[in-house]
Amino acid sequence: ETGVTQTPRHLVMGMTNKKSLKCEQHLGHNAMYWYKQSAKKPLELMFVYNFKEQTENNSVPSRFSPECPNSSHLFLHLHTLQPEDSALYLCASSPPSGPQETQYFGPGTRLLVL
Amino acid sequence: DAKTTQPTSMDCAEGRAANLPCNHSTISGNEYVYWYRQIHSQGPQYIIHGLKNNETNEMASLIITEDRKSSTLILPHATLRDTAVYYCIVWSHGSSNTGKLIFGQGTTLQVKP
Repeated sequence: ETGVTQTPRHLVMGMTNKKSLKCEQHLGHNAMYWYKQSAKKPLELMFVYNFKEQTENNSVPSRFSPECPNSSHLFLHLHTLQPEDSALYLCASSPPSGPQETQYFGPGTRLLVL
Repeated sequence: DAKTTQPTSMDCAEGRAANLPCNHSTISGNEYVYWYRQIHSQGPQYIIHGLKNNETNEMASLIITEDRKSSTLILPHATLRDTAVYYCIVWSHGSSNTGKLIFGQGTTLQVKP
């Protein structure tokens, strides 16, 4: 248990659906991250938020829309996804400072797009 | 971003030490070496990190060569629960004090009874 929770843990959605993934941490961290892990591929960083401001968008398609209303919560809004978007979506958080920022990961949301 | 090179897979007997190597020959002077592991279908778990000196915690030891071009993660007494993919990552300083962990393919460690 890392202190980072993600809901739902599993999600099946059609290509025309709209859904949201939620991440929550109460570790006092100010940086939060979304990663995507497709089958047999390394984790890919998608977005970084620092003090609620987006500081990194790793060329992610607009059908993925992040939202960070406060330092404890991070959402990933999904709409008109494609089957190739099926993956494990991981959230992480870290303290705000310096080069020693250990990231703590949630358990992930396993997404299947039909 | 400094790249890392790790063997694709390794086996280790239960109860023995597991030594996982990593090459990071392009590492910069202020870049830290991080190790994470990912047990099947779970989120990555932080293990240890270091800059120049060797480090030890309750999970593992990290040995960094003097030229910092390579490192070894040591699990002193591997158990079956240590079977996982182990990632060696060089932390890259991003903007606004947030770092970037660039995950590679990692080493799949199989601990066998």
